[in-house]
Order: sequence, then C-alpha cells, then structure tokens
Amino acid sequence: DTEVTQTPKHLVMGMTNKKSLKCEQHMGHRAMYWYKQKAKKPPELMFVYSYEKLSINESVPSRFSPECPNSSLLNLHLHALQPEDSALYLCASSPQGLSYEQYFGPGTRLTVT
Amino acid sequence: GEDVEQSLFLSVREGDSSVINCTYTDSSSTYLYWYKQEPGAGLQLLTYIFSNMDMKQDQRLTVLLNKKDKHLSLRIADTQTGDSAIYFCAETDTGNQFYFGTGTSLTVIP
Repeated sequence: DTEVTQTPKHLVMGMTNKKSLKCEQHMGHRAMYWYKQKAKKPPELMFVYSYEKLSINESVPSRFSPECPNSSLLNLHLHALQPEDSALYLCASSPQGLSYEQYFGPGTRLTVT
Repeated sequence: GEDVEQSLFLSVREGDSSVINCTYTDSSSTYLYWYKQEPGAGLQLLTYIFSNMDMKQDQRLTVLLNKKDKHLSLRIADTQTGDSAIYFCAETDTGNQFYFGTGTSLTVIP
C-alpha cells in the first residue's frame, strides 16, 4: 500500500478563519512533508518532519503551523491566511529523509477569500 | 542551488512514443525520479533510477540516464490519451536535498 491520504479535498476559508489540513500514511515511513503548489508549477517544499521532529522549515510564514502527532499523521494549521496563500497543498512521505523517493497524497485545494 | 530544467510542453499523437527530457546541474545526484500529475491531483511516482544505472525499463516506460551530460529522459511507448498530464523529473543528492524539475505538460492528440 503506497497511499497517502489527505483531508479535506477542498477548503474555502476567510482571512480570519482558523482551519487545519490533515495527512495520514500507513507505510511505516519516518519522514513526512508539506508542499505548496501553484498551478502548473513544481511543488515548493514548506516543512519536513523526520522521526516526528521538525527538521526543515523553508522560511514559511508563521500563519502556517505544522504538527506531527505521531509517525502516521501530519497536520497543517492555518490562521489569518492571505489570498496569495490559495494553492494546492500536498502532503508526502518517504521511508526516511529527503534522499528517498516520496509518495504524495491527492492534495487539498485551498481557496482564501 | 540546483537547476533542474525541462521543456514546458510536448504534444504527440496517440500511439506514438513520447520522450520527455530533463537536464540537471548537480554532479552529486544519487537518485532521479519521474512523477506524473494529472489535473487537480497529487503527484504519482512513476519510476526512479539510481545514478549508477544507464537505463531502466518498466512496461511502457523507459528511463535513460546520461550522467556525463547530466541528462535524464522518460520514454513512453504507445502513448495513450490517459498519459496526458504534467511530468516532473526530480533528483536527490548526497547533501540530502530533493529538487523538482520545472515540469513538462504532455498533450496526447487522439
């Protein structure tokens, strides 16, 4: 099973809302990632968790707050977002760190109004 | 930083072969990957090759790696309309970095 699941599939939120994106994998992978993707562009790395600890934060604004409750789950908490944050948010996992193949979820399409 | 470049667009007729190209600058690459992304979907890992290999074949997919020229290609035999998508190459290096290419949009004409 090489499946990464993400919920919700679509999310519309106002600039004052607080919402969370969820990601889950049951492949026993020890690294999990959040990416942001704009239309027809490659994904941009936001955060990397390795063995449930935040190992990389690519200078992401604090209105995005990641959380890794356990080795299978990854959340992204959103607060006071801007319209330019509208994008496809992708979660991925890999057996260990960035030197290994990554498996992606279907993404959450986020629209900030 | 690392540059991984791809042609933006490729158009082929159904039944023909498609060849998607990728060039990179990092000489310490370890693995190179091909991902497929259909509209509104996540990225699907198609195949990957270790940097000491020249070729890998998997059903309709053939990956060729020219390490000297830092050139990677993906050949899709008997291209079908379901192959229409954006294809990203990617690579990892010994510095534990992961780089995506710019993406190639493949259109298959019936």
